Amino acid sequence: ETGVTQSPTHLIKTRGQQVTLRCSSQSGHNTVSWYQQALGQGPQFIFQYYREEENGRGNFPPRFSGLQFPNYSSELNVNALELDDSALYLCASAGQGRLDTQYFGPGTRLTVL
Amino acid sequence: QKEVEQDPGPLSVPEGAIVSLNCTYSNSAFQYFMWYRQYSRKGPELLMYTYSSGNKEDGRFTAQVDKSSKYISLFIRDSQPSDSATYLCAMKGPRTGFQKLVFGTGTRLLVSP
Repeated sequence: ETGVTQSPTHLIKTRGQQVTLRCSSQSGHNTVSWYQQALGQGPQFIFQYYREEENGRGNFPPRFSGLQFPNYSSELNVNALELDDSALYLCASAGQGRLDTQYFGPGTRLTVL
Repeated sequence: QKEVEQDPGPLSVPEGAIVSLNCTYSNSAFQYFMWYRQYSRKGPELLMYTYSSGNKEDGRFTAQVDKSSKYISLFIRDSQPSDSATYLCAMKGPRTGFQKLVFGTGTRLLVSP
């Protein structure tokens, strides 16, 4: 059973640019959530996808958007990058009906200059 | 006031000590409580998961939930240098509909040989 994988590992962008982060969920998991973790803070919920539909969103502006594909992999897109977007972006997957046990990937570290 | 409060530490202990990590929360709707361990520059790893009040033991780890006090704890017995990491508490509401994890800021634990 493969775990949650994310790509790329690290990314450096400049203010105003756009970025796409990718996540492959654990085998058999159909729910994917994205979190933002700033340095020294706990992860903050961005949004969740279930069967290719967004079914919940945290307090993040619309320039944070996502997709989930038929194979349950997912993308996080961030437009008009700001300095405060610098963080570790985490993807977590869960099996159907098992949202109490979410498994996290290693994260993508995004630096915005 | 944050929904989940957690002392950021660092907490420094000698090898073999019993470690107590704690979180308090304000949302009485939380029913599921988790502890994650996060090594530096890695994704969180699920350690313990508890539903409602009570204790749960797994090897050297014991999780306690006191819903009346809105207080949860993680105890680590016979601590090892390899336990040095950041410990994040997380919680969520009932297993219906949309769900998200709400995290504390994490407590950094340092176990010295």
